[in-house]
Amino acid sequence: GAGVSQTPSNKVTEKGKYVELRCDPISGHTALYWYRQSLGQGPEFLIYFQGTGAADDSGLPNDRFFAVRPEGSVSTLKIQRTERGDSAVYLCASSSGTGGYEQFFGPGTRLTVL
Amino acid sequence: SQKIEQNSEALNIQEGKTATLTCNYTNYSPAYLQWYRQDPGRGPVFLLLIRENEKEKRKERLKVTFDTTLKQSLFHITASQPADSATYLCAPQLRSGSARQLTFGSGTQLTVLP
Repeated sequence: GAGVSQTPSNKVTEKGKYVELRCDPISGHTALYWYRQSLGQGPEFLIYFQGTGAADDSGLPNDRFFAVRPEGSVSTLKIQRTERGDSAVYLCASSSGTGGYEQFFGPGTRLTVL
Repeated sequence: SQKIEQNSEALNIQEGKTATLTCNYTNYSPAYLQWYRQDPGRGPVFLLLIRENEKEKRKERLKVTFDTTLKQSLFHITASQPADSATYLCAPQLRSGSARQLTFGSGTQLTVLP
C-alpha cells in the first residue's frame, strides 16, 4: 500500500513568512510524529500525535511552531515568522503503535528560509 | 542529559567484509533500540528492533546486539555489498512516559568499496 507522503518536497520562503508542511500517514496508523533533520545530524523530535491530540509537543523549539491533526489522519506543521535557522528537512513518520513499534518515514520536506 | 553516540561519522570497508557499527548511550535505560537506514534525500527506513531482554537479533545479513550493562548496541552487516552504503541511525526508545518518539544518534555513514 501507499507509504507516508509529504508535500511539498521542497519549500523556499523568505524570512518572516508563514509556511505549512503537510503529512499523509499510512492509513490506519494512529501515531504520527514530526521530526526535523539538519545536515549531518539524526532526526530531532518535534511533536507526536496519538489520534487527533498532541500527546507530546515537548520538541517544538518555540511558539512559532504549531501542528494539527484535526481528523486523526493528515497532519500539518505550521511555522510562523520563519527564520533562517528553521532551514532543515522536516520528516513525518507514522506507526501502528508506540513503544516498540517501527516508524514509517516520509521522504521529508526540505525547507529553505532565505 | 541523555546522550547517544555512534562510532565514527564515516566507515569505509571492502566488499564482502563485515561492517560493525557502534551505538553508545548514557543517562538512558531504553526498553527498545531501533536501527534505521537512511539514503541521501530520503527518510529513514526501519531495519531492526531489539528489546532490553534480548541479547541478539538477526535478520538476513544483519545482526544487532544489545548490552544494557555496557549501554551499547552493535550493528553488524555481514558479507557487505556496495548497495549497503548508506547512513545508519540508532534510536534508543524508552518504554513509557513522554518517549513514544525516537531519539536518534547522528548516524554512521557506511561506504562499502567494490
